[in-house]
Amino acid sequence: AQSVTQLGSHVSVSEGALVLLRCNYSSSVPPYLFWYVQYPNQGLQLLLKYTSAATLVKGINGFEAEFKKSETSFHLTKPSAHMSDAAEYFCAVSEGWAAGNKLTFGGGTRVLVKP
Amino acid sequence: EAGVAQSPRYKIIEKRQSVAFWCNPISGHATLYWYQQILGQGPKLLIQFQNNGVVDDSQLPKDRFSAERLKGVDSTLKIQPAKLEDSAVYLCASSLGTMETGELFFGEGSRLTVL
Repeated sequence: AQSVTQLGSHVSVSEGALVLLRCNYSSSVPPYLFWYVQYPNQGLQLLLKYTSAATLVKGINGFEAEFKKSETSFHLTKPSAHMSDAAEYFCAVSEGWAAGNKLTFGGGTRVLVKP
Repeated sequence: EAGVAQSPRYKIIEKRQSVAFWCNPISGHATLYWYQQILGQGPKLLIQFQNNGVVDDSQLPKDRFSAERLKGVDSTLKIQPAKLEDSAVYLCASSLGTMETGELFFGEGSRLTVL
């Protein structure tokens, strides 16, 4: 069975500061990993995904994440926070096509950006 | 390209009443998912369809929830009778359903409040 743990349900950062959101996963097979962002009253939008190619993955809006197998982690970072980054972020794991490409999500981290 | 469409966006009902949500996936997407997102939690998979067949409904409370995807396109999720704990956002997602491990595309969700 697969699972995802996101450390910290709320993160507060100053505008221009580093954004770091932590995600650890468990999976019985090599995983596929995703970060989604959810703005208020909207659906989930894909930020980036890891599908066994490069371990450092770049996504939209300046975000990137690094897959570390030894640490079973897929932390999300952005060097400089912008007010528009205020949203909720979800890490998700999939065991691929053989498992129906189903996503299992973490509990989410809500990001607050202070001016 | 049109996204995943869901309706209604908001619904308020009293407990023991029934409700239905509709989803129209992206054209050509064979796989359709319904997720339940309770406030403060990550989305949880309820049911997955591949074309018009059910792939996984292990997390669907079958005593009150039902879903169908007639003709392999639109889908309807029904709750009858509703309980207070069913208050949540119901997210529909679709994907190509091919061997490629691609992203899931989410609709904006249907927010249900059960009083």
